[in-house]
Amino acid sequence: GENVEQHPSTLSVQEGDSAVIKCTYSDSASNYFPWYKQELGKGPQLIIDIRSNVGEKKDQRIAVTLNKTAKHFSLHITETQPEDSAVYFCAASVVNAGNMLTFGGGTRLMVKP
Amino acid sequence: EPEVTQTPSHQVTQMGQEVILRCVPISNHLYFYWYRQILGQKVEFLVSFYNNEISEKSEIFDDQFSVERPDGSNFTLKIRSTKLEDSAMYFCASSEAARSNGKQYFGPGTRLTVT
Repeated sequence: GENVEQHPSTLSVQEGDSAVIKCTYSDSASNYFPWYKQELGKGPQLIIDIRSNVGEKKDQRIAVTLNKTAKHFSLHITETQPEDSAVYFCAASVVNAGNMLTFGGGTRLMVKP
Repeated sequence: EPEVTQTPSHQVTQMGQEVILRCVPISNHLYFYWYRQILGQKVEFLVSFYNNEISEKSEIFDDQFSVERPDGSNFTLKIRSTKLEDSAMYFCASSEAARSNGKQYFGPGTRLTVT
């Protein structure tokens, strides 16, 4: 089955700097890659996603890139703010009737003011 | 903005007891999911549900687990005889259509503690 690895497990940046979180996946059939943000005491919140027919997607300060050949995808957050501090999860799935998400281990991002 | 809700937020139960975790998915969604996260580990898929039947389930989802949509709004996860290792955060998620976009929206979770 699919295996998703995520790095780093913790990331500390200064406010205003950029943050990059990387994930690799094993199943070449995976075609959908969402990113979730989880704040303390809350459920994972979908922040951006990308499909395998697209190499890059951007939404304001957040961007995701996908390299299908290398089977890795990354989350980029620019101009980080303290409210970006949270745990970020990447995931992969094959969009079908089941649509099971396989998650990475999570990255705890800390943005220091 | 519509959101997935879950009750209770925290459930404490004794080993061997049955528990039912409840979820109200987003109203126009058709696909429903349960995931769990044991403390310090990855979020793991348990089961997906569509058109009143299970679409896919993981190895974790054994005979002790069952899901049900008892009415038009609730989606439940039942664990018949809880074990210590069932202690985890349980997340419900829903999506409008699995085939078209796959976007899954998660609830806040139920923390299950088995003693």
